[in-house]
This record gives sequence, C-alpha cells and structure tokens, in this order.
Amino acid sequence: QVQMVQSGSELKEPGASVKISCKTFGFTLSDHALNWVRQAPGQGPEWMGWMDTNNANPTYAQGFTGRFVFSMDWPVRTPYLQISSLKAEDTAFYYCARGSRLADNYFDYWGQGTLVTVRS
Amino acid sequence: QSALTQPPSASGSPGQSVTISCTGTSADIGAYNYVSWYQQHPGKAPKAVIYGVTKRPSGVPERFSGSKSGNTASLTVSGLQPEDEADYYCSSYAGRNKLLFGGGTKLTVL
Repeated sequence: QVQMVQSGSELKEPGASVKISCKTFGFTLSDHALNWVRQAPGQGPEWMGWMDTNNANPTYAQGFTGRFVFSMDWPVRTPYLQISSLKAEDTAFYYCARGSRLADNYFDYWGQGTLVTVRS
Repeated sequence: QSALTQPPSASGSPGQSVTISCTGTSADIGAYNYVSWYQQHPGKAPKAVIYGVTKRPSGVPERFSGSKSGNTASLTVSGLQPEDEADYYCSSYAGRNKLLFGGGTKLTVL
C-alpha cells in the first residue's frame, strides 16, 4: 500500500543545516508531485512548495526561497528537503505530501512528519 | 496569522451536526474550486476528508461533507462520533503557485 516514510527527529543548533528524507512505497513516484509542508507547534500548516518528480524541478512558495532546497536522490528515487542556516523559528514538523492525481492542489498521502528542533 | 480564517474551536454532542467555516477572499476560495479539508489527530499527520470543495476521498465516512459560498468554505460533520474529535484545517489554491491553509479548528465531541 502507499506509504511515505520520513527520517527521524533532528535537534540542531542555530546556523546548522538539516536534510530530511521522504521514502515512498507502493506507488510510482514520477506519477505524482511531491510537496513539502511545515507546521510549527500549535500552528496551521504552511505549504513550502513542490517538486516535479520527473526532473526534480522545484517550485518554492513565498517565504521558502534561499535556505530551503528540494532535491532527489535519483538512484534510490528518494526526495529530500534541506534547510540551511537554521533559525529558532524553523522549529516545526516538516511533512512530505503526495499530490493527488484526482484533483489539483490536494494531498492524498502524507509522511509521518519530521520534527526539527533548533536551539542552542 | 494564517491566510484563511477559521474559528479556533467548535463542539457538539455525539450524533449532532457541526459546521466549521473557512473564510478567504476573492483571490483564493472565491476564485477556485480547490478547497480541501484535513483532519489531524494529536501527534499524527493531516489526513484529507474533503477535496475539490465537495468530494470525499475513498474511505472517508459520508458524514463528512463540504460546501462553498462566495469566499467562505464550510465543512459539516453530521452524526458526530467520538473519533471525529481532532483539529481540522482548510486549504485553498490562491493562484500563481500559492496554496493557503487555515489556522485550524479544534473540534470537541462533548
């Protein structure tokens, strides 16, 4: 069945970088857009952008340019989110989410989330 | 501050109906039929209960329904069950690679 399994929680100091993986199972990744969503503690989700899984072409939402990079490890077809120059306000759960083929702008499967905590 | 406005809380007794609103603008909810609703239980990832304003994903009970009027979308949960207690978030496409979420509504089943 469809599964999206993310890497584990991370504790980082300000200024460091973090790289989160999103392993997918049970479907053909190239048939779907791969989205990233941030959710700070007690807040609503924020859409960070999406990646075309055919060519790893990223599209970043406003507010997520510069320090945020979507990439793909092609040999294992695993998407990644990398965040550099981490700040305390980056502390949040980060989710990968599959774009549905039934309708645009709708995420039908989500990873379990990766908690990134940034503190000195 | 979230781009889409939801009431922070809603409640109802088992068997009752509850409606949660999501207010946007003519640039997002009012412009596109790309409204989705997500249910999130504590410590879990969001799960879609409505997409395309009114459509239910496979496996979602019929008691979940969605609608839209002007710049406001609504999620109605009929025949409330204890397992419906969760946070609910709306989302809407807003053009030019912009997807907005609401701040969330905590639904309590009394």
